[in-house]
Amino acid sequence: QQPVQSPQAVILREGEDAVINCSSSKALYSVHWYRQKHGEAPVFLMILLKGGEQMRHEKISASFNEKKQQSSLYLTASQLSYSGTYFCGSPTSGTYKYIFGTGTRLKVLA
Amino acid sequence: KAGVTQTPRYLIKTRGQQVTLSCSPISGHRSVSWYQQTPGQGLQFLFEYFSETQRNKGNFPGRFSGRQFSNSRSEMNVSTLELGDSALYLCASSLDGGGSVSGVNSPLHFGNGTRLTVT
Repeated sequence: QQPVQSPQAVILREGEDAVINCSSSKALYSVHWYRQKHGEAPVFLMILLKGGEQMRHEKISASFNEKKQQSSLYLTASQLSYSGTYFCGSPTSGTYKYIFGTGTRLKVLA
Repeated sequence: KAGVTQTPRYLIKTRGQQVTLSCSPISGHRSVSWYQQTPGQGLQFLFEYFSETQRNKGNFPGRFSGRQFSNSRSEMNVSTLELGDSALYLCASSLDGGGSVSGVNSPLHFGNGTRLTVT
C-alpha cells in the first residue's frame, strides 16, 4: 500500500504557509520528498533519515517521525514557484522497490 | 553532469502493437527504475535494474518487461498494448537503488518521461 498524503489539494496565496503530511501503514526507513511541476518530471527536494535532523530546502522544511511512520513537509511564505504536485517517496528495505505517496496538488496564487 | 535522458518524448500507438522506451541514466548511476504515472493511480513502480539484473518488479502484467545494458542504459518494452497503458512512463536513476541497505539514502533522479498514448 502506498503512503497516503493529506491534503489531496491545497490552494494558497503568496506568502501563506502550508503543511503536507505523508502517512504510511508500513515502516519507513527514510523519506524523500519530490515536487513535480505540470508537464515536468519529479524533482528531488530533500531526504529525511531515521533519527536525523529536520531538513530544509529554501523555505521548505520537513520532519520525519519514524515511530508514527509519518513525515510532514512545511512550506513557509509560499512563492508562485512552489506550485506543483508534491510526493513523498520511500525505498523499502530489502525489496529494491520504491513507493510513492498519493500526491498533494499545491497551487499558489498571486 | 548530464541528467537522465528518456526517448522518445511522445508516442502514439494502436491497440495490440508493442513499444520500446529508452532511458540513459546519470553517469555513474547503476540503478534504473521505471514508473507509470496516470491521473488515477499516481506513480506506480514497474521494475528496478541494477548492474543488468532486475531486482524487483511491481504489480504489472507480464506484457511489461525491461532490461539493462552493461553501460546502465535501460529499455522498457510493452507488448500487446491496451488502451489502459496510456500513461506517462518515467525512468529514474540513482547511485545504488532504493531498498538496498546501502541504497536507503539514494534519491531518485527522473527523466522527463515518455508520454504514451494508445488508441
